[in-house]
Amino acid sequence: DQQVKQNSPSLSVQEGRISILNCDYTNSMFDYFLWYKKYPAEGPTFLISISSIKDKNEDGRFTVFLNKSAKHLSLHIVPSQPGDSAVYFCAAIFDAGNMLTFGGGTRLMVKP
Amino acid sequence: EPEVTQTPSHQVTQMGQEVILRCVPISNHLYFYWYRQILGQKVEFLVSFYNNEISEKSEIFDDQFSVERPDGSNFTLKIRSTKLEDSAMYFCASRTGGVYGYTFGSGTRLTVV
Repeated sequence: DQQVKQNSPSLSVQEGRISILNCDYTNSMFDYFLWYKKYPAEGPTFLISISSIKDKNEDGRFTVFLNKSAKHLSLHIVPSQPGDSAVYFCAAIFDAGNMLTFGGGTRLMVKP
Repeated sequence: EPEVTQTPSHQVTQMGQEVILRCVPISNHLYFYWYRQILGQKVEFLVSFYNNEISEKSEIFDDQFSVERPDGSNFTLKIRSTKLEDSAMYFCASRTGGVYGYTFGSGTRLTVV
């Protein structure tokens, strides 16, 4: 049951350009969506989140957009930097729940 | 910055053996979790623990798995009789009450041979 999906396993972007990572979900009852960044041999690190009652949240170079009607969210990184190269996971959670439901991840490579 | 600490970083065990993965959550956190990631697959929820009992568990978390918080600081995951398919990266996480406070450890890579 893939409630959260990331359809692009990898993305390559030139330094300084925009990176757009996409995520789709099927359960309209999710209350929050989160993006995590993961380097090899490390655990996922929280990056940015958005409540289901909002359509945009911005934090520095990172912006998350939520389109509830399409059950789609995206993470924009502008400008992209080589240090952003990592695997990015989209995750969703119910407000009253415990568990995070993760997408499969997208490997971002930012070329200098 | 407070961290979730996991030991060991890598564990190799024979099939059928018991293994205990250890975690020290952040001290003022109230909720504790285990997740796993089989190589090439997504991160999957195993179990959550609150107020000294399991609050939620997934289908993966069968009778071979157990969790314990033996001394108020450690949080352990025990696999009683390991199978080859238990080979994965196991992540411990903890959080305060809010959804944004989830912090993951660096993981233990379990290899069952």
